[in-house]
Amino acid sequence: TQLLEQSPQFLSIQEGENLTVYCNSSSVFSSLQWYRQEPGEGPVLLVTVVTGGEVKKLKRLTFQFGDARKDSSLHITAAQPGDTGLYLCAGGVRHNFNKFYFGSGTKLNVKP
Amino acid sequence: DVKVTQSSRYLVKRTGEKVFLECVQDMDHENMFWYRQDPGLGLRLIYFSYDVKMKEKGDIPEGYSVSREKKERFSLILESASTNQTSMYLCASSSNHIQGSATGELFFGEGSRLTVL
Repeated sequence: TQLLEQSPQFLSIQEGENLTVYCNSSSVFSSLQWYRQEPGEGPVLLVTVVTGGEVKKLKRLTFQFGDARKDSSLHITAAQPGDTGLYLCAGGVRHNFNKFYFGSGTKLNVKP
Repeated sequence: DVKVTQSSRYLVKRTGEKVFLECVQDMDHENMFWYRQDPGLGLRLIYFSYDVKMKEKGDIPEGYSVSREKKERFSLILESASTNQTSMYLCASSSNHIQGSATGELFFGEGSRLTVL
């Protein structure tokens, strides 16, 4: 059983479209991280959110942590082929910041 | 440039063989991790270590062991490889010295793809 559920699992869109990826859980997390993994590489951290309701922006990417700290979303505006990759959310556990639970990932393909 | 280096990108082994996967980090990080990545399952934690000679089981430790004799090196050992251990293995490290209130960032290696025949 996956502690963090990501949706959708796959997404194929045209360049310029907007999209949202969701990361949901019934558990409360002390923090939520988003990583992007490109083929043949390890995941790379995009952002960490720690406060319920927090919104962070990274250029065309907007990340939100749910008020109850059980869910998060990643919104990409005007997607570009360079956004193609596997997006992973990871929930951090209170009192043990070394322990992260990863979602199953969203595979995004942005077509030119 | 900070780096986590995994010794082998691709390995093919036979059932029953002993397999060593090596990981080295050059960031003087205290914590090191081994994950396996399978399609549709995300990353699952096998073992982690928060100090030299210290280790803790993750969520799927069965069939694996680890060794951390030096701070920069964390090895994953499959004593007797089985076909269900065919997977992508990712090593990561993190620091205890966190800036602000954010939790530690994981720095990953490029992965080792293991096929067990």
